[in-house]
Amino acid sequence: DTAVSQTPKYLVTQMGNDKSIKCEQNLGHDTMYWYKQDSKKFLKIMFSYNNKELIINETVPNRFSPKSPDKAHLNLHINSLELGDSAVYFCASSRADEQYFGPGTRLTVT
Amino acid sequence: KQEVTQIPAALSVPEGENLVLNCSFTDSAIYNLQWFRQDPGKGLTSLLLIQSSQREQTSGRLNASLDKSSGRSTLYIAASQPGDSATYLCAVHGSGNTGKLIFGQGTTLQVKP
Repeated sequence: DTAVSQTPKYLVTQMGNDKSIKCEQNLGHDTMYWYKQDSKKFLKIMFSYNNKELIINETVPNRFSPKSPDKAHLNLHINSLELGDSAVYFCASSRADEQYFGPGTRLTVT
Repeated sequence: KQEVTQIPAALSVPEGENLVLNCSFTDSAIYNLQWFRQDPGKGLTSLLLIQSSQREQTSGRLNASLDKSSGRSTLYIAASQPGDSATYLCAVHGSGNTGKLIFGQGTTLQVKP
C-alpha cells in the first residue's frame, strides 16, 4: 500500500556521470514535486508538475531535468553530476493541500 | 520573500513531559501550514495541516496552532514518549495555492526514557 515510492533508495556515482531517480505515486494525486535536502537537512523545492505540466521551476541548474510521463510518475534526470549534487532528493505528491513525501533517494557523488 | 524559522534547533526532555515546538514565518499571507516528522534516514510524515482560516488542529497527543497575524505556529506534544524522538519540520504554503512549501530547518527532539 505504498503511497509515494522512489527508486533507487541509495545512489553512489562518480562526477560527470548522468543518473536518474524515479518516483511513482498511487494516490491519484494531480501534482508531484521534487525537493532537495542538503547536508544541513534544509529542504528546498526544485520542481512541481500538475497533470504532467511544469508549474514550479526554482533556480535549479539546467543539468536537472524532470520528466512526467503520466500523472502518477515524475522522474528526475541529472546530467554531468557534480560533488555539490550530493544530497537526499525527495519526491512528493498532493491533490489539494496536503503533501505526501516519498522515502527519499540519497545521492552521493564521488 | 517568505522565510520560516524554527526554535529551538534541538530539544531534549524526559519522558512524560509536555512540550512546545515553535515555528515563525515572515509573510502572513499563507495558504496553509503543515507540520511534518522526519525520522533519521527516512522520509517525511505529515502530522497536521492547518488551513489559513483555522486556528488549530489536533491529532491524538499533537495539537498545532496557527496565528497568522503574528506569523507563528506551535506544535504541542502531550505526554512525550521516546518514540516521539525525531526531527519536526514546519512548512508554510504561500498564498495562491502554488503547492510550493517553504520549510524551516526543523527541531530535533530527543525524549529520554
